[in-house]
Amino acid sequence: SSELTQDPTVSVALGQTVKITCQGDSLRYFYASWYQQKPGQAPVVVLSDKNNRPSGIPDRFSGSSSGSAASLTITGAQAEDEADYYCASRDSSGHYRMFGGGTKLTVL
Amino acid sequence: QVQLLESGGGVVQPGRSLTLSCVASGFTFGSYGMHWVRQAPGKGLEWVAVISYDGDNRYYADSVKGRFTISRDDSRKTLYLHMNSLRAEDTAVYSCAKDPGIVGATHFDYWGQGTLVTVSS
Repeated sequence: SSELTQDPTVSVALGQTVKITCQGDSLRYFYASWYQQKPGQAPVVVLSDKNNRPSGIPDRFSGSSSGSAASLTITGAQAEDEADYYCASRDSSGHYRMFGGGTKLTVL
Repeated sequence: QVQLLESGGGVVQPGRSLTLSCVASGFTFGSYGMHWVRQAPGKGLEWVAVISYDGDNRYYADSVKGRFTISRDDSRKTLYLHMNSLRAEDTAVYSCAKDPGIVGATHFDYWGQGTLVTVSS
């Protein structure tokens, strides 16, 4: 399969925990990476391969994977976490990259 | 620090051509693969193309294959995207992104701010 599927919208109460999921057959073979994009800004990687957090990303962001699914978890969501989140990975051949359709996170 | 600066966007008629540039600084450009990613207005991210660090390997999304060509000039630390036979659906902000250079990696570790391409008559 050459698709990554995300829920279009997710909401979370301030301070609560939210999980954003990404599904695709290629995730059985390759890790997902995760990007946060705020309006008018370039995407920022919040989780790189193997669920590593780049420098400067708060530790409330974490990741997991199982089978054909990957998840981004925000533990104790903050108002500034309201953004669009995209997963990305490779297709099953490994040569091509792809993004999920994105999840709009609303912090209530 | 790593910087990627795109240029070359603008308004172009359907069927015409346009070339985008991305000037890199803050890292050894010739040691890393580079990507183009685009985002249509109000839509999600779409990967467009990748070129390996040595230019020997290039891969394209099906939506642009045969129309777009990715290239690089390491002496100028510049990545290019040559776009032919442009269509209205190619309208998007085009951003370059750096590959981390790790075998099997799926992430893009640095992004530019992008340049807007509008295809319209």
